[in-house]
Amino acid sequence: DVKVTQSSRYLVKRTGEKVFLECVQDMDHENMFWYRQDPGLGLRLIYFSYDVKMKEKGDIPEGYSVSREKKERFSLILESASTNQTSMYLCATGAGGRSGELFFGEGSRLTVL
Amino acid sequence: DAKTTQPNSMESNEEEPVHLPCNHSTISGTDYIHWYRQLPSQGPEYVIHGLTSNVNNRMASLAIAEDRKSSTLILHRATLRDAAVYYCILSWQGAQKLVFGQGTRLTINP
Repeated sequence: DVKVTQSSRYLVKRTGEKVFLECVQDMDHENMFWYRQDPGLGLRLIYFSYDVKMKEKGDIPEGYSVSREKKERFSLILESASTNQTSMYLCATGAGGRSGELFFGEGSRLTVL
Repeated sequence: DAKTTQPNSMESNEEEPVHLPCNHSTISGTDYIHWYRQLPSQGPEYVIHGLTSNVNNRMASLAIAEDRKSSTLILHRATLRDAAVYYCILSWQGAQKLVFGQGTRLTINP
């Protein structure tokens, strides 16, 4: 079974702190994605990566950056957390090509005070 | 990205079939149709996807209209565990950058 592990299930941070959210997958997938999910707004794509050291902006990249130094690991970085970044963050991976299936982690609920 | 339209909510009874509709009138020839669902307190999970022909798997069936402007996800015999938000998504040439809409919240009555 594919396993997508997100580093923390729940985090509480203060405004201005630097926040790292990590996602690790064990299936050698090419593609990795970071989404955030908010009530009434659904899932929105922040950043994605189709290969190591490669990244592309999604629909809402402002205030975020990412890092993909190894194939299995995709990190989401909030350089200076703000209260409007309080959200559920979801990582997903996929094998690419015409395979339709994305595998999601359980999510990381971040609260910024 | 081509858009999809789904009802906000639907309700059905346990052990009955459920037909979840999705309209995608601006679909292009290379767009795949994907369905995901999200159970409470979990990340989304893949259900099924297709391009032109109807598709079946162990979870569901996907019926695609001949003009591809609509599709229907069919749960053949709903259980309480099928209560979730169901998302219909289009992707260009099957690429995995998926843009989620609001989905349909499915309630299953015992």
